[in-house]
Amino acid sequence: DGGITQSPKYLFRKEGQNVTLSCEQNLNHDAMYWYRQDPGQGLRLIYYSQIVNDFQKGDIAEGYSVSREKKESFPLTVTSAQKNPTAFYLCASTPYPSSGANVLTFGAGSRLTVL
Amino acid sequence: EDKVVQSPLSLVVHEGDTVTLNCSYEVTNFRSLLWYKQEKKAPTFLFMLTSSGIEKKSGRLSSILDKKELFSILNITATQTGDSAVYLCAVDGGRSSNTGKLIFGQGTTLQVKP
Repeated sequence: DGGITQSPKYLFRKEGQNVTLSCEQNLNHDAMYWYRQDPGQGLRLIYYSQIVNDFQKGDIAEGYSVSREKKESFPLTVTSAQKNPTAFYLCASTPYPSSGANVLTFGAGSRLTVL
Repeated sequence: EDKVVQSPLSLVVHEGDTVTLNCSYEVTNFRSLLWYKQEKKAPTFLFMLTSSGIEKKSGRLSSILDKKELFSILNITATQTGDSAVYLCAVDGGRSSNTGKLIFGQGTTLQVKP
């Protein structure tokens, strides 16, 4: 079945450590996105990528980094510079970002807790 | 600044009740409005609305868009405990409207009691 796989589902880290969240899709979608979800704040965009080897900052990119070396993969690194990294992270993708009929498909999410 | 605002933020009803969730937006270059349902994990797509006044319907759920007044509503009739979830409203638009990124509201948490 086609879909988006995020791993790990749960992650605990100490302050000051970098962590990388994996996002893999087998939908052959061009565009991929990382959102952060906090209680009462909805989803906020961290980074997005419309094609391989290209990505753009979203609204809250500080303290995060991404890469897009393959179409299927869009890993997110939460660096020690991110001041409040504890959150639920959602990866999404879409086949036609500029079409105007843009429905994002989401992964199941990764919950990061920094101790 | 582009924004999407949902109300109420939370709602508790009993099975069989009808609920109306609201979503208002101020977004440049509006292209579409989407509703998602989120039960603990991945948001799942419900509706996409692009034209005013045309109701989208799926079972007990329906939604409509008013592009003049810049809002949408999501109705759920004869609610069931399985409807308990966070309902997310999102708009495709904004300054980078050809990138596919969505602008989300805060979400409405619906709890349906037996």
